[in-house]
Amino acid sequence: QKEVEQDPGPLSVPEGAIVSLNCTYSNSAFQYFMWYRQYSRKGPELLMYTYSSGNKEDGRFTAQVDKSSKYISLFIRDSQPSDSATYLCAMSAGIRSYGKLTFGQGTILTVHP
Amino acid sequence: NAGVTQTPKFRVLKTGQSMTLLCAQDMNHEYMYWYRQDPGMGLRLIHYSVGEGTTAKGEVPDGYNVSRLKKQNFLLGLESAAPSQTSVYFCASSYRGGRAGELFFGEGSRLTVL
Repeated sequence: QKEVEQDPGPLSVPEGAIVSLNCTYSNSAFQYFMWYRQYSRKGPELLMYTYSSGNKEDGRFTAQVDKSSKYISLFIRDSQPSDSATYLCAMSAGIRSYGKLTFGQGTILTVHP
Repeated sequence: NAGVTQTPKFRVLKTGQSMTLLCAQDMNHEYMYWYRQDPGMGLRLIHYSVGEGTTAKGEVPDGYNVSRLKKQNFLLGLESAAPSQTSVYFCASSYRGGRAGELFFGEGSRLTVL
């Protein structure tokens, strides 16, 4: 069983829809939770960053972390065609882990006009 | 500001050949990493470096070697390429004191081993 599980999709939604992306994990040591966005033929870029449990909002994006359930989510409101990309969840055990992230498989999202 | 630059962007090798991927960053970051990305597997860490002259193994280091002779460069070598090393390779960097897990990625190097 993988440490981080993410539904690879693909997920196709109409413009304006609310999108929900999720990951589950098994390692209780994870403290830092990230969502990276990766456009086709490009490198991942950090989209959302959360420490421990709770919610974080940035514009149309909301990240949620529930450490008790080992479950994280990314919500995209009023989705746009420009949101079409692969979304990768990633986790780290802490500062001493440096950049040793554990990634989910990635979810391919397409937002059609 | 170029950020993280990887060369080459594409390469085709025959089994048994060797090659080196070069990563250069101009952000004065202390930490650098090599990940590989395969369908259905996400990104997996190959090797990383926490400073000039240092390297360490990641999750999938077998078949690869690395060197960091200069702070801005991180090289990934394949001594004898195998078809299982067909993948997209990403270099990333981060700075000491930054947020844990905030990495800056290059655009990737696509390697095919025949």
